[in-house]
Amino acid sequence: GAGVSQTPSNKVTEKGKYVELRCDPISGHTALYWYRQSLGQGPEFLIYFQGTGAADDSGLPNDRFFAVRPEGSVSTLKIQRTERGDSAVYLCASSYRQGDTEAFFGQGTRLTVV
Amino acid sequence: KQEVTQIPAALSVPEGENLVLNCSFTDSAIYNLQWFRQDPGKGLTSLLLIQSSQREQTSGRLNASLDKSSGRSTLYIAASQPGDSATYLCAVHFTYSGAGSYQLTFGKGTKLSVIP
Repeated sequence: GAGVSQTPSNKVTEKGKYVELRCDPISGHTALYWYRQSLGQGPEFLIYFQGTGAADDSGLPNDRFFAVRPEGSVSTLKIQRTERGDSAVYLCASSYRQGDTEAFFGQGTRLTVV
Repeated sequence: KQEVTQIPAALSVPEGENLVLNCSFTDSAIYNLQWFRQDPGKGLTSLLLIQSSQREQTSGRLNASLDKSSGRSTLYIAASQPGDSATYLCAVHFTYSGAGSYQLTFGKGTKLSVIP
């Protein structure tokens, strides 16, 4: 596609529920990143994929968070047993390859846990 | 811990003024540095990417400089316009963020308001 696409743009869920956030990267980009942005803060790294594999998941806050990229393109961020503290904007980015290339971000998914 | 700091947190200028946004980082071992713009409720728009071997990059009214040895970057905006009002974020790809990692480390941003 022309840019990184994230769906849904907004998600409201009840505490304790399971949610999935989707990211469709720019076609041909092998590197994909998930970040989380709280109000008034810069984005914080969650997980990085190179191809299908998670090369670095050190930013995932706990085992309620999981992400997959089974075919090396679309990625899904999964959050189990959501908590109010999970409320944030979840941003996805992709780049042509890792390291020295420009990262392009999607519009984000605003998750609100009530 | 590798950190990125942006000062000031907010800046208000009259239309037409030239301005400089500052970014500092704690480790000179970097792949690159990227400046982004974020409008309220929106995602990030990439403005400029500076590789570690470069000293500056220009795009239209924007010029970004990089001084690795001092751990600093500046974003210069010429002849500011009300449409430039947004939050500007600086992000660094540190060379070592952990084995196999290529994550960006962000500052908290500078919120710019250009007054007509």
